[in-house]
Amino acid sequence: SQTIHQWPATLVQPVGSPLSLECTVEGTSNPNLYWYRQAAGRGLQLLFYSVGIGQISSEVPQNLSASRPQDRQFILSSKKLLLSDSGFYLCAWSVRGILYSYEQYFGPGTRLTVT
Amino acid sequence: SQQGEEDPQALSIQEGENATMNCSYKTSINNLQWYRQNSGRGLVHLILIRSNEREKHSGRLRVTLDTSKKSSSLLITASRAADTASYFCATDPQGGSEKLVFGKGMKLTVNP
Repeated sequence: SQTIHQWPATLVQPVGSPLSLECTVEGTSNPNLYWYRQAAGRGLQLLFYSVGIGQISSEVPQNLSASRPQDRQFILSSKKLLLSDSGFYLCAWSVRGILYSYEQYFGPGTRLTVT
Repeated sequence: SQQGEEDPQALSIQEGENATMNCSYKTSINNLQWYRQNSGRGLVHLILIRSNEREKHSGRLRVTLDTSKKSSSLLITASRAADTASYFCATDPQGGSEKLVFGKGMKLTVNP
């Protein structure tokens, strides 16, 4: 069966510090991978998605970047955190679809607080 | 950008009652999906309905889709306290973008 891991679970970082959040998927090959951010009590904002190694699509211009160094690894980074980067970060994967999207499977999330 | 809009934004009911949540969207879709999120957790996929389907069932869940009205509803029958969560609809817009567009979510509270 497939499993998605995301860490750390919680993170408190000062403004201006770097960030690295990691997401890995087990039990599947060549998945689509996604990073979302969710502000408190709000919906999901898609930040980045990837359909293959080294292929990253950015949805929102911001202080963050993403990389996919391996097929089942997706990393969210920032060189210098802003207060506005605080939120709940979710990684998700799905089976690749040609004509349509399949259901997405989410990790447990990382609660980031920038102080 | 947000496409799905859930309605109502919050719903409070008693255990045993049925809960109905609605979702409206704007563009043509391949499918529509419903997800559930418990507080502080990741989303869990509940059900997917394709654009050529009108109704789908899964346990106590019933989903309908009206593509002419660009709307969907999620019915949870015989609700339980454990159904307390936020529920999101997500649309797969036509065009093969391989990404979903999530609504803002709806908070359901089931009181024991």
